[in-house]
Amino acid sequence: DTGVSQNPRHKITKRGQNVTFRCDPISEHNRLYWYRQTLGQGPEFLTYFQNEAQLEKSRLLSDRFSAERPKGSFSTLEIQRTEQGDSAMYLCASSLTGGGITEAFFGQGTRLTVV
Amino acid sequence: GNSVTQMEGPVTLSEEAFLTINCTYTATGYPSLFWYVQYPGEGLQLLLKATKADDKGSNKGFEATYRKETTSFHLEKGSVQVSDSAVYFCALRGGSEKLVFGKGTKLTVNP
Repeated sequence: DTGVSQNPRHKITKRGQNVTFRCDPISEHNRLYWYRQTLGQGPEFLTYFQNEAQLEKSRLLSDRFSAERPKGSFSTLEIQRTEQGDSAMYLCASSLTGGGITEAFFGQGTRLTVV
Repeated sequence: GNSVTQMEGPVTLSEEAFLTINCTYTATGYPSLFWYVQYPGEGLQLLLKATKADDKGSNKGFEATYRKETTSFHLEKGSVQVSDSAVYFCALRGGSEKLVFGKGTKLTVNP
């Protein structure tokens, strides 16, 4: 399977702990996006990378959140000092820039539960 | 800012019924419009898209027409199947790379 891969699929953590999620995009895709989805809502944009450069960050991405894409391939999203409000599905997507509108391919997400 | 409003669900239909899920948007400029589908236990998949006014996107029997005058992109299918049961999201992409999604509409199709 050469789709977008996210790990872990599920994470339960205690409030105050740090967590890190990983996303492996489709191999030739140069853009990578992170979204957050809470129950009953649509995905909300967090940030995106073109290659290794983080080009846009949402105001939702507080200073407890940090995302990296060190070599322009996989990406990590870290949440420090987790809070119960961080419980959500974290989605990663990737796309390939080019002429016209390019499709973003989504992974299955990492479901975070903060207890 | 940009926003998407879509029909609240859930929607329950019998097999072979006609489906409409309404979607309207607010955006500056000329956004691209999308419908994504999320089947149970799976990630979001692009269902169809339209990039300019009067474009019609279509896929798997689903259609949606980009209506600039009414700022709408309603999803339709003439005859739904049980396998169409999923959550459907309307989305737009404006001047930046980010997608702005509606809240989603859950569709259940009964045999």
